[in-house]
Amino acid sequence: QQQVKQSPQSLIVQKGGISIINCAYENTAFDYFPWYQQFPGKGPALLIAIRPDVSEKKEGRFTISFNKSAKQFSLHIMDSQPGDSATYFCAAKAGNNRKLIWGLGTSLAVNP
Amino acid sequence: DVKVTQSSRYLVKRTGEKVFLECVQDMDHENMFWYRQDPGLGLRLIYFSYDVKMKEKGDIPEGYSVSREKKERFSLILESASTNQTSMYLCASRGASGIPSYNEQFFGPGTRLTVL
Repeated sequence: QQQVKQSPQSLIVQKGGISIINCAYENTAFDYFPWYQQFPGKGPALLIAIRPDVSEKKEGRFTISFNKSAKQFSLHIMDSQPGDSATYFCAAKAGNNRKLIWGLGTSLAVNP
Repeated sequence: DVKVTQSSRYLVKRTGEKVFLECVQDMDHENMFWYRQDPGLGLRLIYFSYDVKMKEKGDIPEGYSVSREKKERFSLILESASTNQTSMYLCASRGASGIPSYNEQFFGPGTRLTVL
C-alpha cells in the first residue's frame, strides 16, 4: 500500500508554462514533506521541503503548497524551462523516524 | 559540499556471483541508506544503517545484506546475484538529528547493475 501517492506519473509542459505535481498521504504523523529532483544519470537531490505549520513555501520558481486538512501537498514550477526536465519525487517523514516514505515519481518534460 | 561516492557507475555480473557495491560519504553522517530504483516503482529502501555495525531492514531486504564497519562506508552485498536484481542502486547519507539540514538525504550518482 502506497503511503504517499504521487500524480501524474508523467507530465509534458511547454516552456514558460506551470508544472504541477501532486502528492497525497494518509499518515497524520508525517511532519516533513520534501521534494527531490533527479536528472538522468544522477542521484536525487533535495529541491525544497515544507513542514505542516505553513501552507506554502517558495524558493525561486519552485513552490510547495500544503493542505493539511486534505492531506495533500503539491509542487508548482512556475515559468517551466527545458532545464527543469527531470524526475520529481515527493516524500514524507514522521518525527524522528529515519526513513523517508517516497512517492513513485513524476517524469517531467518541458518542451522548448 | 557533501559528497557521496559509489564504487562503480556500471557493473555487469553473472547469475550466482557475489556482488559488492560500495558507498563512501565524506560528511561524517550517522545514517546511510541503500535504495534500488526501477521504472515505475520509485525508490525502494533495501537497508539502512544508523551507526557503525548497526543496520535495519528496509522494505525489500530479501536477497541482500549490508556491512558498515566504518562510519563513512556502507556496503551492499548480493550474496548470489539473480537477474531480478538488475537495477539502479542508489546510496544516500544523512546527518544525525539536531544538526542543520539533518533531514536531507544526500545521494550518490548510482550504480547500474546488470545481472546476466
